[in-house]
Amino acid sequence: SQTIHQWPATLVQPVGSPLSLECTVEGTSNPNLYWYRQAAGRGLQLLFYSVGIGQISSEVPQNLSASRPQDRQFILSSKKLLLSDSGFYLCAWRTEQDTGELFFGEGSRLTVL
Amino acid sequence: GQQVMQIPQYQHVQEGEDFTTYCNSSTTLSNIQWYKQRPGGHPVFLIQLVKSGEVKKQKRLTFQFGEAKKNSSLHITATQTTDVGTYFCAGRPSGTYKYIFGTGTRLKVLA
Repeated sequence: SQTIHQWPATLVQPVGSPLSLECTVEGTSNPNLYWYRQAAGRGLQLLFYSVGIGQISSEVPQNLSASRPQDRQFILSSKKLLLSDSGFYLCAWRTEQDTGELFFGEGSRLTVL
Repeated sequence: GQQVMQIPQYQHVQEGEDFTTYCNSSTTLSNIQWYKQRPGGHPVFLIQLVKSGEVKKQKRLTFQFGEAKKNSSLHITATQTTDVGTYFCAGRPSGTYKYIFGTGTRLKVLA
């Protein structure tokens, strides 16, 4: 069966520090991968999505970047965090088969101080 | 840019009352999905609608996709305390692989 792992689960970072969030998917190949951010009590904002290795589509201009070095690995990074980067980051995957539903990881809660 | 709005933002109902949330996209959608998120958790898939005018039912939940494929609704009949959470629609604009989430409707059910 397919599983998605996302880490770290929680982190507190100072303003200006770098960030790396990692997401891996098991049990499927060539998934579409997504990074969303959810501010407290708000909706999900699509940050990046990828339909293949090395293919990244950015939805919002900001100080975040994403990479997909392997088929089932999706990384979210920042060189210098801002206070506004605080939030709940969710990685998700889907395939074109069946219902094509998005399967979400457990999320990474980032607090920038 | 492409936007998906949902109303209402919040809804408090007495247990047993009905509940409806509406979703409206600025662009035509290939399909629309609905998710439920419990506090502190991640969104969980409920259903996908693909065809214009499609209606699907899951027990007390009824989902509808508009004729123009730009709007959708979720109706819950006789709410229960287990229905508490935030309901999101997520639309896939035609010709893309991305899913744009609606702003969500937070449902509280009072026993």
